[in-house]
Amino acid sequence: NAGVTQTPKFRVLKTGQSMTLLCAQDMNHEYMYWYRQDPGMGLRLIHYSVGEGTTAKGEVPDGYNVSRLKKQNFLLGLESAAPSQTSVYFCASSTRDRGTDTQYFGPGTRLTVL
Amino acid sequence: DQQVKQNSPSLSVQEGRISILNCDYTNSMFDYFLWYKKYPAEGPTFLISISSIKDKNEDGRFTVFLNKSAKHLSLHIVPSQPGDSAVYFCAQETSGSRLTFGEGTQLTVNP
Repeated sequence: NAGVTQTPKFRVLKTGQSMTLLCAQDMNHEYMYWYRQDPGMGLRLIHYSVGEGTTAKGEVPDGYNVSRLKKQNFLLGLESAAPSQTSVYFCASSTRDRGTDTQYFGPGTRLTVL
Repeated sequence: DQQVKQNSPSLSVQEGRISILNCDYTNSMFDYFLWYKKYPAEGPTFLISISSIKDKNEDGRFTVFLNKSAKHLSLHIVPSQPGDSAVYFCAQETSGSRLTFGEGTQLTVNP
């Protein structure tokens, strides 16, 4: 099992460019999440999904869109990147079972917006 | 406002001694808490959890204590090892299996 994988690992964008971050999991998990980590702020939830075809806003959704067309994939899109979106992005997945729904994280994508 | 707060950005301890990492929360509606460990250039990994029906949970060298009246939890690592050097995040599970994380504490264990 590869667990949770993220593509790409690093990316540099110019302001206004767009990109898509891909997250894939092979654990058959129902739930998937996108977080961003910034210094001194922990991990903040951007969007999440409780099943294929569903998405919901998290704590900091502005400037991002997501899609969950397949159960194993969760895509995070930036339509017009801004320097404030410079961050490390983590994807996670979990089962729906209460008490065992530990979230498993990918290795992260470091994004720099110039 | 930060619902889960880790007031110490960093902690340094000697190998073999106890490490105590602290976390405070404001919302007592949600009763499941987790600790994650994160090494540089890697994603966070689950370490230990506790439900409010308990006030202590132990797993090897790691013990989490929950004080519901004080809305406080702590992670004890005994004995601390250099390989424990990492950033530790506490998290509270909220609705829809969402996690709210604290800011993290950088633990350094010196040989």
